[in-house]
Amino acid sequence: AQSVSQHNHHVILSEAASLELGCNYSYGGTVNLFWYVQYPGQHLQLLLKYFSGDPLVKGIKGFEAEFIKSKFSFNLRKPSVQWSDTAEYFCAVNRPGGYQKVTFGTGTKLQVIP
Amino acid sequence: ETGVTQTPRHLVMGMTNKKSLKCEQHLGHNAMYWYKQSAKKPLELMFVYNFKEQTENNSVPSRFSPECPNSSHLFLHLHTLQPEDSALYLCASSQDFGTGDGYTFGSGTRLTVV
Repeated sequence: AQSVSQHNHHVILSEAASLELGCNYSYGGTVNLFWYVQYPGQHLQLLLKYFSGDPLVKGIKGFEAEFIKSKFSFNLRKPSVQWSDTAEYFCAVNRPGGYQKVTFGTGTKLQVIP
Repeated sequence: ETGVTQTPRHLVMGMTNKKSLKCEQHLGHNAMYWYKQSAKKPLELMFVYNFKEQTENNSVPSRFSPECPNSSHLFLHLHTLQPEDSALYLCASSQDFGTGDGYTFGSGTRLTVV
C-alpha cells in the first residue's frame, strides 16, 4: 500500500525566508501527487497537483513543487514566505486509473513570524 | 464557501447520544468521502461513496454509520461513541473516485465526545 511521509512536523520561519517542505511517498509505480493547505480555521484546499509532464509544478500563491522520481519525493517550495502562509500543509498521493484512493501525510505546520 | 457544506461546525455529545453529521455538495461531483482528522495523524479515510454506492469502508467501527441518499448529500450517523472519537470530521467530494483529480473539502465538524 502507498504511504506518504512528511518529516517536518512543525516549521518556523521569518517572513521573506525561503521554504522547502519535504514529502516522500512509498509507491514505486506511476503516481499522482498533491499538496493541500489548511489555513487556520479554514477548510483544506488544493495548492497544486502533479499528474505527468513537467516535474516542476506551479501552484497558487507562488508555491511550486518538484517531482523527483528517483527520490520518490515531491517537495513544496516557496522562495519568500509571508505571514499569511501560516498554515498546515499536507502532501498526498494516489495511483492513477480505476478506484485508487488518495493517501495523505501527517501534515506540516508552518508558522511564519512577521 | 467551498461548495461543500458541513453541519454542524461543532458538536459535543455524550457517549450514549445519537447524532448525525451532514454534508452537502452542489458541484455536480459523483464521489463523496468522509475523513477523520486527528492531531499528528494522517487524514484517515473512513468511507467512500461513488454514484451513491459505498465503495470503501476502511475498517471503521460500526458506531459510525454512513448514509448517502443521493449524490449531493452524505451523512455520518454517530452512536455510542468513545472519547477517542473526538476529532475533526471532514467531508470531501471529487468529480469521480480515483481519477486523481483534486478533492474539494468542507470546513469540517469538530466533534467532542464527553
